[in-house]
Amino acid sequence: IQLTQSPSSLSASIGDRVTITCRASQGIYTYLAWYQQKPGKAPKLLIYVASTLQSGVPSRFSGSGSGTDFTLTISSLQPEDFATYYCQQLYTNPLTFGGGTKVEIK
Amino acid sequence: EVRLVQSGAEVKKPGESLKISCQVSGYIFTDYWIAWVRQMPGKGLEWMGIIYPGDSVTTYSPSFQGQVTFSVDKSINTAYLQWSSLKASDTAIYYCAKSREEGATREGFDFWGQGTLVTVSS
Repeated sequence: IQLTQSPSSLSASIGDRVTITCRASQGIYTYLAWYQQKPGKAPKLLIYVASTLQSGVPSRFSGSGSGTDFTLTISSLQPEDFATYYCQQLYTNPLTFGGGTKVEIK
Repeated sequence: EVRLVQSGAEVKKPGESLKISCQVSGYIFTDYWIAWVRQMPGKGLEWMGIIYPGDSVTTYSPSFQGQVTFSVDKSINTAYLQWSSLKASDTAIYYCAKSREEGATREGFDFWGQGTLVTVSS
């Protein structure tokens, strides 16, 4: 299963609402996770089963979608949110990742 | 506290063998899947495969099948990733990660090692 993220990068300001999309090449129900990765660090799980917030993750992060189309939304971008975000499908092996979306400061 | 601690950076020559480790603590090692993920320099995350320490059941991504081997040592709560003959294209950071869900992978991977940088150069 191929995952296509868009955009591949974006520039945004503090306080902006940011939306990242992830499209699967076939239906994956809600078996999708989102990760955040900062430079030089390991990925961090943000959301699983498409919309469930991982413990400790701020509520400004939210996820939605099912089937083939998914979104990650950051309601009000904070300085610590500048990072690269990846989706991952967990429906069938290989558990592929999307290509990533780099969120940069405008 | 759940921790996954990976072995240190390696510099190897093409054709050499290598085994890197991921030692876990803070949870029951045999109850959760361990994934291996590659990140080549400046690139995205690539799924290599998973191993279930309880019975060593393993699934490899087709891209890595036959190129690497996963294993575990339950006596020391450690997972391993090994190569028999490295190539320059194996230069990357390798991460191990623990499944969030006991015995399943549907909820993603909630704890990650710090990564092991493997450099292969003649």
